[in-house]
Amino acid sequence: DAGITQSPRYKITETGRQVTLMCHQTWSHSYMFWYRQDLGHGLRLIYYSAAADITDKGEVPDGYVVSRSKTENFPLTLESATRSQTSVYFCASSDGTGIYNEQFFGPGTRLTVL
Amino acid sequence: AQSVTQPDIHITVSEGASLELRCNYSYGATPYLFWYVQSPGQGLQLLLKYFSGDTLVQGIKGFEAEFKRSQSSFNLRKPSVHWSDAAEYFCAVGARGGATNKLIFGTGTLLAVQP
Repeated sequence: DAGITQSPRYKITETGRQVTLMCHQTWSHSYMFWYRQDLGHGLRLIYYSAAADITDKGEVPDGYVVSRSKTENFPLTLESATRSQTSVYFCASSDGTGIYNEQFFGPGTRLTVL
Repeated sequence: AQSVTQPDIHITVSEGASLELRCNYSYGATPYLFWYVQSPGQGLQLLLKYFSGDTLVQGIKGFEAEFKRSQSSFNLRKPSVHWSDAAEYFCAVGARGGATNKLIFGTGTLLAVQP
């Protein structure tokens, strides 16, 4: 299906485990983003990517790793999950270089770290 | 630093009543402003955006927002709320950082609609 998808939609893991959240978009958008959504904080940017093999830190990158070997995919890895990483994670994509470009969001992944 | 403030965490309105959600921003240059809506269990959807020109912008689903530079505000309005408008609403400012576009989000306003 066209659009932006995230998998899994729900994930429960344990402290210290590695977990990868997947994001896939079919528009060939150059820009992709990862946000986390927490009560009282809104959405905060974790990492973003301007193109394949180009990534940069956002506001809250600690404890996360990203890669972008293909334009359409932008996986987010928690190398050693902590309870503070329990959150809802949203992936987004955008075309163009301007800050006026709309970001299109995926449906989110709800992650619980026990 | 850029920031966005949404003073109202939760608002309840009656169906058919008018709605205004407040948003104040802090940004050193010309702001690029957005309103997104998040329905329960869904991702965010763009309602409208302001870049320049007419300070009153129209969006989808009957929403509009007015940019007031003197008040650093970008309030969202709807003349008559429908039950399906119950959702969380996020204001965001577009911020330049490096070579890409980033959004700074407010903390959101949760809208409940009473029958």
